[in-house]
Amino acid sequence: EAGVTQSPTHLIKTRGQQATLRCSPISGHTSVYWYQQALGLGLQFLLWYDEGEERNRGNFPPRFSGRQFPNYSSELNVNALELEDSALYLCASSFRRTGGIETQYFGPGTRLLVL
Amino acid sequence: AQSVAQPEDQVNVAEGNPLTVKCTYSVSGNPYLFWYVQYPNRGLQFLLKYITGDNLVKGSYGFEAEFNKSQTSFHLKKPSALVSDSALYFCAVREISSGSARQLTFGSGTQLTVLP
Repeated sequence: EAGVTQSPTHLIKTRGQQATLRCSPISGHTSVYWYQQALGLGLQFLLWYDEGEERNRGNFPPRFSGRQFPNYSSELNVNALELEDSALYLCASSFRRTGGIETQYFGPGTRLLVL
Repeated sequence: AQSVAQPEDQVNVAEGNPLTVKCTYSVSGNPYLFWYVQYPNRGLQFLLKYITGDNLVKGSYGFEAEFNKSQTSFHLKKPSALVSDSALYFCAVREISSGSARQLTFGSGTQLTVLP
């Protein structure tokens, strides 16, 4: 069974540009989570999508946004890039269980470098 | 608010010796607890989780973790370390009654180095 996939693996942008990162969840998973792993800041939650809707977002400015498509894949958009947006962006997927606990499985990440 | 502490940035252990990576957590209610491992330039790989029941949880690659409610700890252990276990380990928590907040809160990570 294929795991979570992310593209591109690396992305280089300049300050002020926009970046688009993509994630395909494990087949059958309906939830997608986005996390940022920046140097010195650890892993921080960005966004959670389930069944096509944004369910929760972390403490990030509105220029971080995304969406989930009908096939449950997801896109993370970062507008007006700043130098501190340079990080590894990790996508995770899970099968949402009502009243239960799901395990999040992570993709390999997209490394974004903002120059 | 929920939080996780991994008090050791770095743990060194000799190959063949037992290893322990420490984790303590803070939640208002009952926790779900996870351990993940990250190899260089890779994503996170799931190792094990605690939901309820037995305090000793067994996971992948011979790892296990012990849940201790009174000490609010969830330490990761392995009886005999391998050089290939060298990686960055993350502990994570989610409060059971967190409603719509299903994201994980991660610790800062512990770099484990197993010396040959």
